[in-house]
Amino acid sequence: GAGVSQTPSNKVTEKGKYVELRCDPISGHTALYWYRQSLGQGPEFLIYFQGTGAADDSGLPNDRFFAVRPEGSVSTLKIQRTERGDSAVYLCASSRDRVGSEQFFGPGTRLTVL
Amino acid sequence: KNEVEQSPQNLTAQEGEFITINCSYSVGISALHWLQQHPGGGIVSLFMLSSGKKKHGRLIATINIQEKHSSLHITASHPRDSAVYICAVRGGGATNKLIFGTGTLLAVQP
Repeated sequence: GAGVSQTPSNKVTEKGKYVELRCDPISGHTALYWYRQSLGQGPEFLIYFQGTGAADDSGLPNDRFFAVRPEGSVSTLKIQRTERGDSAVYLCASSRDRVGSEQFFGPGTRLTVL
Repeated sequence: KNEVEQSPQNLTAQEGEFITINCSYSVGISALHWLQQHPGGGIVSLFMLSSGKKKHGRLIATINIQEKHSSLHITASHPRDSAVYICAVRGGGATNKLIFGTGTLLAVQP
């Protein structure tokens, strides 16, 4: 595709449920990033993939959060036992490679935990 | 204290005015990004710079590495420029992750 796509665009769930958020990066981009943006704040880094491996997961807030990128393209962010504090816009970005490349952002998934 | 600070947080301008948004950072960086985010929309990269100055249309971005400061200028502002403008820095090291400021909400009134 022409840009980074994310699905769903909106997700409403109940506290305690499991959710999966999907990111389709730009074709050929080896680096993929997940960020989280709470209302009125700038995005915060969650995890970075180079290829299939998570090169840096230091931003994941706790072990309820997990992300995979099994074939080095599409990535899924998984959140277990969701809490109301997880409500935010989850942004995905991709770049051509790791060093010095511009990141291209998807439209985000707005997650609301009731 | 945030590693990336922006000012002002909110800015209202009249159409045609010259606008400046400032960004200061406290960490070593390899590059600085200026990004634009419209309400309900995704993030668009405006500039990526590591030194000096860049210009694209009515937008100008400057960076002073020694002072750890960058500015985004908009000349002849227009209502369609209304958006959140975010400064983000890329640190050194093995990760290309961005550290973001909290953004500046700009409203340009006709």
